Amino acid sequence: NAGVTQTPKFQVLKTGQSMTLQCAQDMNHEYMSWYRQDPGMGLRLIHYSVGAGITDQGEVPNGYNVSRSTTEDFPLRLLSAAPSQTSVYFCASNDQMGSYNEQFFGPGTRLTVL
Amino acid sequence: AQTVTQSQPEMSVQEAETVTLSCTYDTSESDYYLFWYKQPPSRQMILVIRQEAYKQQNATENRFSVNFQKAAKSFSLKISDSQLGDAAMYFCAYRSLGGGADGLTFGKGTHLIIQP
Repeated sequence: NAGVTQTPKFQVLKTGQSMTLQCAQDMNHEYMSWYRQDPGMGLRLIHYSVGAGITDQGEVPNGYNVSRSTTEDFPLRLLSAAPSQTSVYFCASNDQMGSYNEQFFGPGTRLTVL
Repeated sequence: AQTVTQSQPEMSVQEAETVTLSCTYDTSESDYYLFWYKQPPSRQMILVIRQEAYKQQNATENRFSVNFQKAAKSFSLKISDSQLGDAAMYFCAYRSLGGGADGLTFGKGTHLIIQP
């Protein structure tokens, strides 16, 4: 049982490049989400999904796309990277929306956009 | 939208002493969940303790306990017998029971330093 896995752990991009951050969970969780963490800030919700085929925007969705074709995977796409997207990105999963149960976080991806 | 405020950017405590981290939040909801997460230098987010708003009894997990004051919208974390391994960023977080943009709303965090 690996929990929530994220790849890559580190990434450097140039402005305008695109990339996909991968996230997978093996706990059969319905709810998955992406957060970003900037210095001096808590985590902020980018996008979330309550099940395969269903996604919605969080607090800071601009510049990011997501899709959920399977229960296990929830990739985050940056179509045209900007320096403002330099951050640490966390993927998380939960058994269901609005749950009291623990939300499990991946180890994070540190992204730098030059 | 809900907001979470942690007014102490940094706290320092002697090993074996007790420290309290503050958290206040703003919401119009009557039922919700509150959490404290720990983030050590490894970056991993670790759940410390959680509280259901409709329960008056304060949650306790070993050396960690909360003081939940619903009317005051306050949710402080007390760490007893502080240990070197407690050194980390601590984040207070709020979660709605459902509806609207789901997910956790986090405060900006408190950096806890443990002095040996």
